Order: sequence, then C-alpha cells, then structure tokens
Amino acid sequence: ETGVTQTPRHLVMGMTNKKSLKCEQHLGHNAMYWYKQSAKKPLELMFVYNFKEQTENNSVPSRFSPECPNSSHLFLHLHTLQPEDSALYLCASSQGGDGPYNEQFFGPGTRLTVL
Amino acid sequence: AQSVAQPEDQVNVAEGNPLTVKCTYSVSGNPYLFWYVQYPNRGLQFLLKYITGDNLVKGSYGFEAEFNKSQTSFHLKKPSALVSDSALYFCAVRENNAGNMLTFGGGTRLMVKP
Repeated sequence: ETGVTQTPRHLVMGMTNKKSLKCEQHLGHNAMYWYKQSAKKPLELMFVYNFKEQTENNSVPSRFSPECPNSSHLFLHLHTLQPEDSALYLCASSQGGDGPYNEQFFGPGTRLTVL
Repeated sequence: AQSVAQPEDQVNVAEGNPLTVKCTYSVSGNPYLFWYVQYPNRGLQFLLKYITGDNLVKGSYGFEAEFNKSQTSFHLKKPSALVSDSALYFCAVRENNAGNMLTFGGGTRLMVKP
C-alpha cells in the first residue's frame, strides 16, 4: 500500500454516461496528479493540483473535469467520453513545490472502459 | 524541455543473472532522476531516485541505478534477477527548481525466466 487509494478500481460506462473517479491520499501531501496510461503509449500527465490550485492542464479535452476540494481528495469527473478514452487512470500525490524529496506516490488506478 | 528515453521495450534475462534496464534523459539544468516499477493491475511503485551526491543509488528490492552525467544516463541494475522482478519499469526525470512535473519514459517490460 502506498497511502493513495482510488475508487472504483474498474468502471465500464457508455458514451452518454456521467461518472466520477475518486482519489484519496493519506500521506499529508499537498500536490495531486491525474495520469492516463494507455496500452503502448507513455504515461500522460493530465492535471496537477498544488495546494488545491490547478497548476497544469495538459490540453486535456473538456469531457474530463478535475476537482480538488482539499489537499487529500482529488476527483476526475467524466462525461460523454469516447471509446479511445478507455485506459488506466492513475492518481498520484507528492509534497508540493520543487524540492528534491517530493517523489510521487501512485494509487492502484481505475481501469476505465468506454463502450 | 525535459525528456526521457527507454530504448528497450522489453528485456529478457534468466533468473540469477544480472539485469540492466536502460534510461537516458535530457534536461537543460540539473536532473532529479527516478525509477518506478509497475506490477500487473497495480499503480507505479517508487524504487529509487538520484538527487545529488554519490552516482550509485541503492533502492528497494536490491535494485540500484548509476547516474552518468557525461552519458546522460541512469540505468537500473540488479546483480541477480528474480522471477518476481518481472514487471514494467519506468524511468522519470525532473529538472531541479523547475516545479514538480515528472516526465516519464515509455517503460521497459522486464521478463525474468526461471
């Protein structure tokens, strides 16, 4: 266990559904991240929150909407997804800032399938 | 801009033999370098990192990595591979004083055969 939990672990949804992914970290960190991991593609950073403020949005389509209500919780709201959005979605957390001791700790991921 | 290359999609090694998983990086400043491992249906687990100091870094599960500034490399090594080491390995880089953004390599699948 890394101290980062994600729910649900598996999700199947239709293209017209609305669902949310949840991430919670118990490490006292103040930076949280969403990544997308697709088969045969590098890990893609989607969003970064530092101290609850979104600091990165890597040209992610608007059908993905992040929310960070506090430094321990991160959500990814999904709506009108496409089949190519099927992937493993990973959440991570770290200490904020650019110090040397802020390696990222990852959750187990949510395996998303869009039909 | 920072980038990472893992030139091998897969590395095959026999149990008990030494293993090396290659990583090269590109940054404009000084790098912080990381290795992560991913087992099936799991998230990434931190293995080790290089920040400064000794070029040989020791990490979890008997792994170590050697930072080579002149070759801009950070290869992952283990003297004696175990079947249980079979997994997907990711190298990552971050420039110091450049925020907390990691850039990951494409991953290398390590297969250790009995």
